Amino acid sequence: NAGVTQTPKFRVLKTGQSMTLLCAQDMNHEYMYWYRQDPGMGLRLIHYSVGEGTTAKGEVPDGYNVSRLKKQNFLLGLESAAPSQTSVYFCASRDRGLADTQYFGPGTRLTVL
Amino acid sequence: GENVEQHPSTLSVQEGDSAVIKCTYSDSASNYFPWYKQELGKGPQLIIDIRSNVGEKKDQRIAVTLNKTAKHFSLHITETQPEDSAVYFCAASRDLNNAGNMLTFGGGTRLMVKP
Repeated sequence: NAGVTQTPKFRVLKTGQSMTLLCAQDMNHEYMYWYRQDPGMGLRLIHYSVGEGTTAKGEVPDGYNVSRLKKQNFLLGLESAAPSQTSVYFCASRDRGLADTQYFGPGTRLTVL
Repeated sequence: GENVEQHPSTLSVQEGDSAVIKCTYSDSASNYFPWYKQELGKGPQLIIDIRSNVGEKKDQRIAVTLNKTAKHFSLHITETQPEDSAVYFCAASRDLNNAGNMLTFGGGTRLMVKP
């Protein structure tokens, strides 16, 4: 049982490049979330999903897109990366029946030059 | 929307002393308040949480208190140990049964326990 895993762990992009971050969970959780973490600002929600095939915007969705084609995977895409998107990205998931306990992945450190 | 303020941003204590981290929230409808610990290079991990129908909860050396009237809640760590050194985040949310409810996080507190 690996919990929540994220790929890749580190990435450096040039402005304007695109990439996809992959989150996978093996706990059969219904809900999945993408956050970004910036110094002194805690974690801010980018997008979330309440089930396969559904997504919704969080607090800071601009510049990002997501997809949840399979229950266990939640993808975060950057179509045209900007330096302001330099951050650490965390994925989380939680079970419908366990209320609000969110389980986090180890994070992806992204630098946009 | 919800706004969560967390203080202090850094906290240094001697091993064995107690540490207290405080958070305030703005949305009176918030009813769930978790605390997360984040070690270097890892994702946040839930250490304790409290719901609005109780005022205090303890788990060994960790306790959380909630004052709904004043809209603040605190994390108390007693007999601190070097392995308690980490960044701690408070958070708040409402609608426990709402599938899409969102956690709003505080800015984090870096706790350093000196041996």
